[in-house]
Amino acid sequence: QVQLQESDPGLVMPSETLSLTCSVSGDFIRTDYWTWIRQPPGKGLEWIGFINYSGYANYNPSLKNRVTISVDTSKGQFSLRLTSVTAADTAVYFCAKVSEYFYFYMDVWGKGTTVTVS
Amino acid sequence: SYEVTQPPSVSVSPGQPASITCSGKKLGEKYVSWYQQKPGQSPLLVVYRDTKRPSGIPERFSGSNSGDAATLTISGTQAMDEADYYCQAWDSSTIVVFGGGTKLTVL
Repeated sequence: QVQLQESDPGLVMPSETLSLTCSVSGDFIRTDYWTWIRQPPGKGLEWIGFINYSGYANYNPSLKNRVTISVDTSKGQFSLRLTSVTAADTAVYFCAKVSEYFYFYMDVWGKGTTVTVS
Repeated sequence: SYEVTQPPSVSVSPGQPASITCSGKKLGEKYVSWYQQKPGQSPLLVVYRDTKRPSGIPERFSGSNSGDAATLTISGTQAMDEADYYCQAWDSSTIVVFGGGTKLTVL
């Protein structure tokens, strides 16, 4: 069973760039799609974007100008970069595995990492 | 942009059925998944492809999707089912959309 682990950047200064990495166990990075989702304190889930092993990515239009998701299959990782962060980007960030792209549902999630912009 | 809406809260007595709706224009033409999230935990997939249940999810969880609404139904609700529930809609033209979440309280 695949396991996911987010990195822990902790505190990020306003206007700077948030960088997160999700490590994928085994060689599963070469299959399926991978996605980032965030959850501000006390609020609901917000989809950020997805990527597949070949680098095909798509993003939430509300974040598209600031977000980049990349994949490094040699390291078994995919990454999130979010530029020009503000307090509104404070959230728990989850990485997740997308199963069956045609139906697009997340069947494996990381534990999440808390990012505070301050 | 496409949106789906959920009621903020639903209350149910133990042993009774609970239904949580997810509404959106022509939602029945999209694929809907449902996630359960307990405090301090990651979301857990409970229904996918509108009606299918992952292995390990109790049979009391079921889903439907038609017209402008999808529904998650929990038959014989148990105290352990108390959680936040999120619907998620998808098709290749609208990408990924989450509902605002429904807090299920088992009284």
